[in-house]
Amino acid sequence: EDQVTQSPEALRLQEGESSSLNCSYTVSGLRGLFWYRQDPGKGPEFLFTLYSAGEEKEKERLKATLTKKESFLHITAPKPEDSATYLCAVDRAGTALIFGKGTTLSVSS
Amino acid sequence: SAVISQKPSRDICQRGTSLTIQCQVDSQVTMMFWYRQQPGQSLTLIATANQGSEATYESGFVIDKFPISRPNLTFSTLTVSNMSPEDSSIYLCSVEDGGGYTFGSGTRLTVV
Repeated sequence: EDQVTQSPEALRLQEGESSSLNCSYTVSGLRGLFWYRQDPGKGPEFLFTLYSAGEEKEKERLKATLTKKESFLHITAPKPEDSATYLCAVDRAGTALIFGKGTTLSVSS
Repeated sequence: SAVISQKPSRDICQRGTSLTIQCQVDSQVTMMFWYRQQPGQSLTLIATANQGSEATYESGFVIDKFPISRPNLTFSTLTVSNMSPEDSSIYLCSVEDGGGYTFGSGTRLTVV
């Protein structure tokens, strides 16, 4: 069965304290892996798409990486405005996205 | 990227009533997706809506409970029928957009 698991469920960081979020997946026919940010009361906001193992993408303090079994979202020197829920989703051929439950990140100053 | 306008943003409804959620896209799209996000849970696909054909529902979701309309390539509605407190969730529409997926801002539904 196709599955997406994110860890940890919640993460508290001090401003400037770098860390990583994990997304492990078991999917047949993977077309791509997506990272989204979701703020309370809002829809998911697109961050990255990764298509093949070894691929990396960066945006400001965020870097996403992909292996054959998992993806990491690295957050370097986070700021309080990075506080949000980060969602991982996989795109399978011919179907819509499968989402993980998300990691809720809290960054305090 | 596509811009989606989703209405209403939130509502509080009495059990046994129905609510229709609208999504308007600023460009023509082939497929629109409807998701449910229950408290503390991930997004779960309800159905895929193609213009001119019946929506395709995922396991556990039925047309009588969640009827969907897709009258043209820029608009869709999802109705939550005969609501119960268990239907309290965030409902989101989404479109495939240049290799990615864009989401509406969501409708937070509370059933009392």
